[in-house]
Amino acid sequence: EPEVTQTPSHQVTQMGQEVILRCVPISNHLYFYWYRQILGQKVEFLVSFYNNEISEKSEIFDDQFSVERPDGSNFTLKIRSTKLEDSAMYFCASSEAGRRNSPLHFGNGTRLTVT
Amino acid sequence: DQQVKQNSPSLSVQEGRISILNCDYTNSMFDYFLWYKKYPAEGPTFLISISSIKDKNEDGRFTVFLNKSAKHLSLHIVPSQPGDSAVYFCAASFTGNQFYFGTGTSLTVIP
Repeated sequence: EPEVTQTPSHQVTQMGQEVILRCVPISNHLYFYWYRQILGQKVEFLVSFYNNEISEKSEIFDDQFSVERPDGSNFTLKIRSTKLEDSAMYFCASSEAGRRNSPLHFGNGTRLTVT
Repeated sequence: DQQVKQNSPSLSVQEGRISILNCDYTNSMFDYFLWYKKYPAEGPTFLISISSIKDKNEDGRFTVFLNKSAKHLSLHIVPSQPGDSAVYFCAASFTGNQFYFGTGTSLTVIP
């Protein structure tokens, strides 16, 4: 079964550094998402992306965050200047195009630790 | 802003019995609901969904019930198996893009 893949599985960075989290969505999916889960808390929506632009974003997704689809397969989340509170599991997800009620398919996540 | 709530952080059930996981929501605009299962060190895996035009959806051992008037949905697993032990999240959407997740219920199925 096709799956969403995320790299790296674990990223450690120092406060103030930039990080890029990478995702390869399922190949025939056209909607892409980033979610995060701070330890012990709920899974939170960050951003959705369709047709090479952001379609929706949450309050969490401020100016330090950006997303990009640099080529036909990768979908990246960049955090420009990391803060301690950015430490979380970051999940990439994708869903089929053209179907509004379409479930998200998640990757296994990248654990980001900011020290 | 807890629009989707799972008030039971954990649940233990004997193998073979029914597991019932509950979820409440506050936003009456939600029209699509999903359940996900999550094992440690993995991403959430889609289990089953229901749209607001239905009150029940069944897939094998998994059944989701939706009570719109009570803003409540539940996931029934019958019979429960040890491999079902995981954290279960309910999620809801009204835009089709942003999904709101509950905090999860950790299910333990005792052999």
